[in-house]
Amino acid sequence: DAKTTQPPSMDCAEGRAANLPCNHSTISGNEYVYWYRQIHSQGPQYIIHGLKNNETNEMASLIITEDRKSSTLILPHATLRDTAVYYCIVRASGTYKYIFGTGTRLKVLA
Amino acid sequence: DVKVTQSSRYLVKRTGEKVFLECVQDMDHENMFWYRQDPGLGLRLIYFSYDVKMKEKGDIPEGYSVSREKKERFSLILESASTNQTSMYLCASSPDGGGRYGYTFGSGTRLTVV
Repeated sequence: DAKTTQPPSMDCAEGRAANLPCNHSTISGNEYVYWYRQIHSQGPQYIIHGLKNNETNEMASLIITEDRKSSTLILPHATLRDTAVYYCIVRASGTYKYIFGTGTRLKVLA
Repeated sequence: DVKVTQSSRYLVKRTGEKVFLECVQDMDHENMFWYRQDPGLGLRLIYFSYDVKMKEKGDIPEGYSVSREKKERFSLILESASTNQTSMYLCASSPDGGGRYGYTFGSGTRLTVV
């Protein structure tokens, strides 16, 4: 199963782009990269996912390197409400389950 | 929007009690999951179900069982609650195994066993 490595914490100024990195060097060719976030005392919230191509939705953009060994989640204009723990996850090969790491605690500063 | 509803937000039970945690989803999803979340350990999968009456063990099934009699409902059962089962419990659902679609999580049940 592919594992992910994320920095434990990051700060970002309100209104600026937040770039959250993730390493997944052992990812397999058919595994997706997912991003979730968890605001204090709530369940995780799905943000975005991708396989090979970069993806964008109303919440964020996902940039995956060509070798797929790392990715970056971009929140283009961070707000105070984006303060949360962000999880980068790859789907466990051949099973239904994710492997959640400990994530990156993003703090957006006013 | 898909909704995953967990029956209780906070629960306090005594050691040795049989505890039922209920989860209901309203979008006809095939797959449902139970996780627990503890500080420093992240989310850990307890059980999941990919169809009615089907279940599979996750990483930490000991001390737990599950029931899925109807597609929309997935129950987690603590057969004899112990203090080390004090945790945040999260239910999730997905239309597939999580390949093409993400999970939708409930708000969680914070269980305290005294």
